[in-house]
Amino acid sequence: EVQLVQSGAEVKKPGESLKISCKGSGYSFTSYWIGWVRQMPGKGLEWMGIIHPGDSDTRYSPSFQGQVTISADKSINTAYLQWSSLKASDTAMYYCARRLAAAGYYYYAMDVWGQGTTVTVSS
Amino acid sequence: QSALTQPRSVSGSPGQSVTISCTGTSSDVGGYNYVSWYQQHPGKAPKLMIYDVSKRPSGVPDRFSGSKSGNTASLTISGLQAEDEADYYCCSYAGSYTFYVFGSGTKVTVL
Repeated sequence: EVQLVQSGAEVKKPGESLKISCKGSGYSFTSYWIGWVRQMPGKGLEWMGIIHPGDSDTRYSPSFQGQVTISADKSINTAYLQWSSLKASDTAMYYCARRLAAAGYYYYAMDVWGQGTTVTVSS
Repeated sequence: QSALTQPRSVSGSPGQSVTISCTGTSSDVGGYNYVSWYQQHPGKAPKLMIYDVSKRPSGVPDRFSGSKSGNTASLTISGLQAEDEADYYCCSYAGSYTFYVFGSGTKVTVL
């Protein structure tokens, strides 16, 4: 079964660092882009960025460039989203998702989603 | 990059059809045939329903269809069912710098 399994909920204080993970299984992890999406409480989906684990090619939404770091460790089929200094406004659900691909062609859509990681930042 | 504009809510009775619009610009929706739609039930992860404007992934009922005209894309749900009650988001490719932009989201209510 193709799936993305994300790390558990986090509760942090402002100024702390954090790295959450997204582990892929059931498919060739290095052949598919992995993206990250934010959903603040009661709000809509926001595109954060995407990484190709095979070569670490990474693209960021202008809104999140410099605010977060996306990385991947292909040896353990895991992608990461990290913050160096959290703010209260980072409180949200974060989803990872796989970019749809077939026969070597990458579509502009995300077909497999993780279950989400809740991040709460509060003093 | 602003979010694509969707109606806040739409509703319909079982068996009816509803259409959700998604309005962008020539830099996103109007510039590429790369619009996708996602269904999200409360407390759940989004699910891909439509990609490339009108293509349905395997397993998505053919009651769901997509189209595009100019800067506006649309998702139509025909034969509305109770389980279709959810939030729906459009998403468009917006060029290599921005990559993707999501819509503001629409709540579909089955009366």
